[in-house]
Amino acid sequence: GAVVSQHPSRVICKSGTSVKIECRSLDFQATTMFWYRQFPKQSLMLMATSNEGSKATYEQGVEKDKFLINHASLTLSTLTVTSAHPEDSSFYICSAPQGGEKLFFGSGTQLSVL
Amino acid sequence: GESVGLHLPTLSVQEGDNSIINCAYSNSASDYFIWYKQESGKGPQFIIDIRSNMDKRQGQRVTVLLNKTVKHLSLQIAATQPGDSAVYFCAEILNAGNMLTFGGGTRLMVKP
Repeated sequence: GAVVSQHPSRVICKSGTSVKIECRSLDFQATTMFWYRQFPKQSLMLMATSNEGSKATYEQGVEKDKFLINHASLTLSTLTVTSAHPEDSSFYICSAPQGGEKLFFGSGTQLSVL
Repeated sequence: GESVGLHLPTLSVQEGDNSIINCAYSNSASDYFIWYKQESGKGPQFIIDIRSNMDKRQGQRVTVLLNKTVKHLSLQIAATQPGDSAVYFCAEILNAGNMLTFGGGTRLMVKP
């Protein structure tokens, strides 16, 4: 199947710093990518839809200035958690659709803010 | 689409037994469904999919059943193995618009 690469897999940072997470589609182009957040023992929660060449679409309750999304090319979307605080600690996952519907997921990024 | 942050129910089965994981979906207009497996600390992995014009689809050791009348989806795993231990999510897609909505998920624990 298609491969979506997410980097880094784990980040530990101090409160107040910004963290960038990259999501790449390795063998296909993705005009749309999705970013999710997952708390322990819970389901995935869609945060935003990343659109190549235009602004991201955020889900209700997700602060766009807090979670900056950039989809600069057909194979790369980035999520930047700005001025991270302990409550931002979570597992972040990206996904990209291949062939119109089938979504493939990255391996996730565990963010721990001290 | 969005999913609700619910604590996951757990299904515990003996190694070698068959497992059945159930999911209720919300939108009767959804036309495509996917089951994902997520191991601890990893992203979801595609298992099997089914379109709304089908009621059953089989893969290797897995079968998905779709009951549109009651908006119910199930995943059957034959001869469950320890490596099947994970969280399983069903997802529905409406009109191929990539609006993916996840079910709450079920944690499968396989006892040796």
